[in-house]
Amino acid sequence: NAGVMQNPRHLVRRRGQEARLRCSPMKGHSHVYWYRQLPEEGLKFMVYLQKENIIDESGMPKERFSAEFPKEGPSILRIQQVVRGDSAAYFCASSPPISSSEAFFGQGTRLTVV
Amino acid sequence: GENVEQHPSTLSVQEGDSAVIKCTYSDSASNYFPWYKQELGKGPQLIIDIRSNVGEKKDQRIAVTLNKTAKHFSLHITETQPEDSAVYFCAATLYGNNRLAFGKGNQVVVIP
Repeated sequence: NAGVMQNPRHLVRRRGQEARLRCSPMKGHSHVYWYRQLPEEGLKFMVYLQKENIIDESGMPKERFSAEFPKEGPSILRIQQVVRGDSAAYFCASSPPISSSEAFFGQGTRLTVV
Repeated sequence: GENVEQHPSTLSVQEGDSAVIKCTYSDSASNYFPWYKQELGKGPQLIIDIRSNVGEKKDQRIAVTLNKTAKHFSLHITETQPEDSAVYFCAATLYGNNRLAFGKGNQVVVIP
């Protein structure tokens, strides 16, 4: 049973380009969460999604950031017109559909904006 | 929103000694407290968790204690080994709501 899979592991983008980060949850998990981690900081909640629904996006910046979790395929975190301040590690976590708080994380995507 | 504080920020221990990391939280409604271990370049790994209906939980060399009155919880690692060296994060949330609020992490260094 594979864990949470994120790709790419490393992503370099020039300022103004778009970044797309993908997350495939663990088998049987239908809840996905995205977190951002700055160097030597804890993880900050961004968004919580279920299939085809955004449940809580209170941690998402109002502009340039969006997330989706379609019926088929991975969850996508999309950052448009990236700026240097977007450079961070972005982690995805998943949990099962039954009520549970056990969240399992992927290995992350390290975004560098140059 | 929930605010989680961790102390100390860095902890060095001799191999074989015990390590204790403490966290405090602000929201008295929080009832689920996981601990994650993060090694360099990797994602956080859930190592132990506790819910507010118990005061202590143990799994081999690691244990977590919870004091709901004081709103703090602690991670205890006994008989530390070099592979325990990592950053440890505590978190708090409402059970069933995975919007985890994380502390800033503790760097634990086990000296051989």
